[in-house]
Amino acid sequence: EDKVVQSPLSLVVHEGDTVTLNCSYEVTNFRSLLWYKQEKKAPTFLFMLTSSGIEKKSGRLSSILDKKELFSILNITATQTGDSAIYLCAVVNSGYALNFGKGTSLLVTP
Amino acid sequence: DAGVIQSPRHEVTEMGQEVTLRCKPISGHDYLFWYRQTMMRGLELLIYFNNNVPIDDSGMPEDRFSAKMPNASFSTLKIQPSEPRDSAVYFCASSPSGVAGRRTGELFFGEGSRLTVL
Repeated sequence: EDKVVQSPLSLVVHEGDTVTLNCSYEVTNFRSLLWYKQEKKAPTFLFMLTSSGIEKKSGRLSSILDKKELFSILNITATQTGDSAIYLCAVVNSGYALNFGKGTSLLVTP
Repeated sequence: DAGVIQSPRHEVTEMGQEVTLRCKPISGHDYLFWYRQTMMRGLELLIYFNNNVPIDDSGMPEDRFSAKMPNASFSTLKIQPSEPRDSAVYFCASSPSGVAGRRTGELFFGEGSRLTVL
């Protein structure tokens, strides 16, 4: 059975801090790994990673995948209160379904 | 594009009642997914369709749950009879095939239907 484990489950930081969120996975026929951000409503897409070692960046967010060690990290630098959200990691197998982890709840305090 | 549209946004019902959740995917998307989200279990895949055909329903909790996709622009998730443990946010999401039939994997989520069963 496919498994996606995120850590930590929750995190509280001060504005300006840098955070690293972790996602490890076990999946048959891995296709890709995706990161989503969920605020009050639906998850919104951040990154998709398919190859090891290639960093994806979007502003203060970046992510990288290690297919040998079966994990990914999501970094957020110079955090802002607007970064407060649940960050979800999901893996896609050959069946095209996304299997989500339980998420990391991030709270950025002023 | 209007995005994925779900209804109702909120539903409060009593145990034993039938609940029907509705979803209109983004036009042209040929994959449709139903997820359920709770604090305890996170986002769980219930079922997904490709070209209106159910592909994997192994996540459907039990026979009380059923899903249909009669055409490319409409899907329903029905719970009959409902129980308090079914209380959750139910998300519908859709996805295109991508270039040359290869999916990117990105899902486009609706706003969700929050179900409370008393």
